[in-house]
Amino acid sequence: SYELTQPPSVSVSPGQTASITCSGDILGNKYAYWYQQKPGQSPVLVIYQDIKRPSGIPERFSGSNSGNTATLTISGTQAMDEADYYCQAWDSSTSGVFGGGTKLTVL
Amino acid sequence: QVTLRESGPALVKPSQTLTLTCTFSGFLLSTSGMCVSWIRQPPGKALEWLALIDWDGDKYYSTSLKTRLTISKDTSKNQVVLTMTNVDPVDTATYYCARRLASVGGFDYWGQGTLVTVSS
Repeated sequence: SYELTQPPSVSVSPGQTASITCSGDILGNKYAYWYQQKPGQSPVLVIYQDIKRPSGIPERFSGSNSGNTATLTISGTQAMDEADYYCQAWDSSTSGVFGGGTKLTVL
Repeated sequence: QVTLRESGPALVKPSQTLTLTCTFSGFLLSTSGMCVSWIRQPPGKALEWLALIDWDGDKYYSTSLKTRLTISKDTSKNQVVLTMTNVDPVDTATYYCARRLASVGGFDYWGQGTLVTVSS
């Protein structure tokens, strides 16, 4: 079955750029999606179809996807961005898969 | 506005069948491109996709759980139901339902989740 691999944790200083990667076999041939989940809350879609931001998501969130790696980039990271981040893709058109999640620490 | 709400038992005994209901509003599952999925998250662990049903009634399941899962919809009630047979303590998790629009591809609206504990 298809697998997505994320680093367990990423740390960033306030105001700096955070990059969270998601690796999967020829992931660049699929769309990647990114979700933010804060403690005790449901996930929120922050990037869809590799690079698009849903309404209401700040411009500091951006995405890319090429080769085997999709990347979520947060520019000018703020304390409120501290959360778990999950990547997601569709193995076939209708078989979903999530990455293991990355805990972003802003310190 | 779009809302989804999960409901079901908080505690289930091992080997029993778990039935969860997702009641939604703000959209019609009969609309072309509309889908609802179930996703779960064991305490402290990652999200796991379980199943999806689309506007046409087509159903898709996690490969590892497909023999135990059934997803169905009641369009008139705006509900999607997930049943999981033969539950085990490892099935203890928060279960979420979420909407997927074909034009978006990801899950743009989520319910608040319901915690199900499997224990004797």
